[in-house]
Parts: sequence; structure tokens; C-alpha cells
Amino acid sequence: QKEVEQNSGPLSVPEGAIASLNCTYSDRVSQSFFWYRQYSGKSPELIMSIYSNGDKEDGRFTAQLNKASQYVSLLIRDSQPSDSATYLCAPGLGYALNFGKGTSLLVTP
Amino acid sequence: DAGVIQSPRHEVTEMGQEVTLRCKPISGHDYLFWYRQTMMRGLELLIYFNNNVPIDDSGMPEDRFSAKMPNASFSTLKIQPSEPRDSAVYFCASSPPGSGGQGDTQYFGPGTRLTVL
Repeated sequence: QKEVEQNSGPLSVPEGAIASLNCTYSDRVSQSFFWYRQYSGKSPELIMSIYSNGDKEDGRFTAQLNKASQYVSLLIRDSQPSDSATYLCAPGLGYALNFGKGTSLLVTP
Repeated sequence: DAGVIQSPRHEVTEMGQEVTLRCKPISGHDYLFWYRQTMMRGLELLIYFNNNVPIDDSGMPEDRFSAKMPNASFSTLKIQPSEPRDSAVYFCASSPPGSGGQGDTQYFGPGTRLTVL
């Protein structure tokens, strides 16, 4: 099993702060990387994808990828209580995904 | 579009019984994935299909599990006989053509919560 490591949390941040979520992976073959958000009792939904080293920004979300270090992160700026969820890191393995166990984020008003 | 449809949404059964989970992918999608999610193991890929053909079933835990996709609009995941350790949420997801099945276009269904007593 290819390892995908995430801090399980919970990560607690105040409303308006920046939330930083980190992920390391073991399979150097992975070329695509995804962040999914999962609300309690709901199904995962894609929020970000990144394929090249560096940063990718989409609204309040920024994904960062460093393939040499096998590290991918997600920054959420101006965090809102509605961002409270579990965030799953998922390196691609061919046509499949290898999900981490997720980091629970709690944004407090 | 109705999205990925799964049934039943909840299933409670007794150990040893057969369980069948159903999935209808989004119309026109040619990749279908079955996942299982537990607190201990997280979200695991069990099997995926492309154009109704199983491509990788290496995640299927054991012979008690089987999956079929008889046509482009329907797939089943069967557990026979079921055991308490099979209790989990089972998700189905689909991807459209041209995506290569890449994760950025996987659309998840609402899941089936299975409890085996």
C-alpha cells in the first residue's frame, strides 16, 4: 500500500485566519494530486487539483506541490466556519486515487 | 443531471447474509469506481471499471466481495457472506470520457452505510 500521510487533527483555526493542511506521499510515480473536502456524513467533493511543482490558486484556496520532497499542501485563506470539514489528500495512481485518511479542520467563529 | 445514484442509502444486516449495493453512474461517464470508508482505514479504492470492464480489483479485500457492471448505467457490489468487519460506508464514483479517469473529474455518490451485526 502506497503511503499517504496527513495529520488527523483536529486543526482548529479562528475565523478569518489561514488554515494550512499538509500531506506527504511515498509513491514517486504520482504525477497528479487532488484535495477533496468531506463534510460529516457526506461524500467527498473535489476542491483543488495540481500537477506541477509550485503553487496553484483558486479563490481562497492555494495548493502547493513539491515533488522532490513528496509533499503537497492546501492553504485556505480567510477561513470560514463553513470550511469546517475533513480534507482528504489524494495522489493519483494511474487512473485511480490513493486517499489519505484526512485532516479534520474546525474553524471557530 | 441527477448525479451518481446509490442504493440503498442504509443497510443493516446480520452476519452471514448476502448484501448487494447498487450504483448508477452519471450518464455518459465511462469510468466507475467503488470505494469503502472506515475510521480505521480511511477511504480505500476497491475496484474500478472502464467501459464496463473491470480494470483493477486489487483493492477488493477477499473473495467474499465481487463487483459487476453489466451495462454503462448500472453496477453492483456484492458481499457474500457478510461479516461485522465489513461495516463501512461504500461510495461509488464516476468520471466522464476524456478525463482518463483522473481524479479531478471523479464525482461521488452519497454512499451506502452498511452495518453488519
